[in-house]
Amino acid sequence: EVQLVESGGGLVQPGGSLRLSCAASGFTFSSHWMHWVRQAPGKGLVWVSRINIDGSTTYYADSVKGRLTISRDNAKNTLYLQMNSLRAEDTAVYYCARAVVTTRNALDIWGQGTMVTVSS
Amino acid sequence: QSVVTQPPSASGTPGQRVTISCSGSSSNIGSNSVNWYQQLPGTAPKLLIYDNSQRPSGVPDRFSGSKSGTSASLAISGLQSEDEADYYCAAWHDSLNGVVFGGGTKLTVL
Repeated sequence: EVQLVESGGGLVQPGGSLRLSCAASGFTFSSHWMHWVRQAPGKGLVWVSRINIDGSTTYYADSVKGRLTISRDNAKNTLYLQMNSLRAEDTAVYYCARAVVTTRNALDIWGQGTMVTVSS
Repeated sequence: QSVVTQPPSASGTPGQRVTISCSGSSSNIGSNSVNWYQQLPGTAPKLLIYDNSQRPSGVPDRFSGSKSGTSASLAISGLQSEDEADYYCAAWHDSLNGVVFGGGTKLTVL
């Protein structure tokens, strides 16, 4: 079964750090661009970051640039999001998503999401 | 405020055809493909349409997408109660170097 499973979310104080993981299975992970998308409670989808197939090129939303870092380990079929200097406005469900192999931005497989809460 | 604009709500009765619009600019929809997502309550989003008008395997042909200039539309024909969900359009934005999502449209089946 093709699936993505996120982990690593939780409650963290403002200024703190978290590392999210996204374990991929059932497909050739190294062939797909990967993304992180977040959704604050009751709000819409917001794109966070994108990484190419070998991890050499990354892109970020302006709101997270310099604080969040996307990476991948193709040997472990795992995508990561290192989150530093967290703010209250980073509170959201974080989804990892796979891009359709022939595209870079059409997200056809999504994880179940992991909740990140930034609060004192 | 999103750089890509969708109506916050839409509605229709079972069997009806509804359309949801998505308005952008030359930096996003005007120069890149549009993708549409459906999000049922409490679940992860699902890809509905990609590359403006392509349906992934398993998506009913009741769903169709189109694009003209800096706008795109999602059409749902033969509306069903299970179509009640939030719908989002998205496209790459060249100058922002990122994906922009519309604010989402909540579809109610009356």
